[in-house]
Amino acid sequence: DGGITQSPKYLFRKEGQNVTLSCEQNLNHDAMYWYRQDPGQGLRLIYYSQIVNDFQKGDIAEGYSVSREKKESFPLTVTSAQKNPTAFYLCASSKGLAGQTYEQYFGPGTRLTVT
Amino acid sequence: SQELEQSPQSLIVQEGKNLTINCTSSKTLYGLYWYKQKYGEGLIFLMMLQKGGEEKSHEKITAKLDEKKQQSSLHITASQPSHAGIYLCGAYRNSGGSNYKLTFGKGTLLTVNP
Repeated sequence: DGGITQSPKYLFRKEGQNVTLSCEQNLNHDAMYWYRQDPGQGLRLIYYSQIVNDFQKGDIAEGYSVSREKKESFPLTVTSAQKNPTAFYLCASSKGLAGQTYEQYFGPGTRLTVT
Repeated sequence: SQELEQSPQSLIVQEGKNLTINCTSSKTLYGLYWYKQKYGEGLIFLMMLQKGGEEKSHEKITAKLDEKKQQSSLHITASQPSHAGIYLCGAYRNSGGSNYKLTFGKGTLLTVNP
């Protein structure tokens, strides 16, 4: 079955530690995205990537970093510089970034708690 | 300011009742997406509307796009407990050149009481 996997489902970290969230897709999609979801704020775009070895900042990129070394993988690192890292993180992918015609498919999400 | 406003923010209905969720854009809509989310899970794609006046249906869910009003509505007929969840609308915005970003509304929480 094709789809997007995120691991782990729940992640706990101490303040000051960097943590990397995994996202893998086998849909052969070119574009991948990371969103953050907080109660009452909806989804906000962190980073996105159109092709391998290329990525762009979204609306709230500060304190986060990404890499796109393989088409299938788009890991997100939450650094210690992120002031409020506790949130639900969603990864998505689409065929391309041409906009209107490509729906995004989402993974199951990772809930990160930093104490 | 929020580009996509959803109303109502939350909705509680009795099983079997019809309901409508609205999504209004502050900018011209070139296409609109509806997603459903169960709490703590990922988003499930429901429908995509691209043309003014377009209407699509999937089982008991119907979505319409009114470009003149910059609004889309999602209508559920004879609601069931399985319809419960958070419904989000999304629209693409040009982020420079040929790049687009998907912007979401804050969602509508639907509860269906048996």
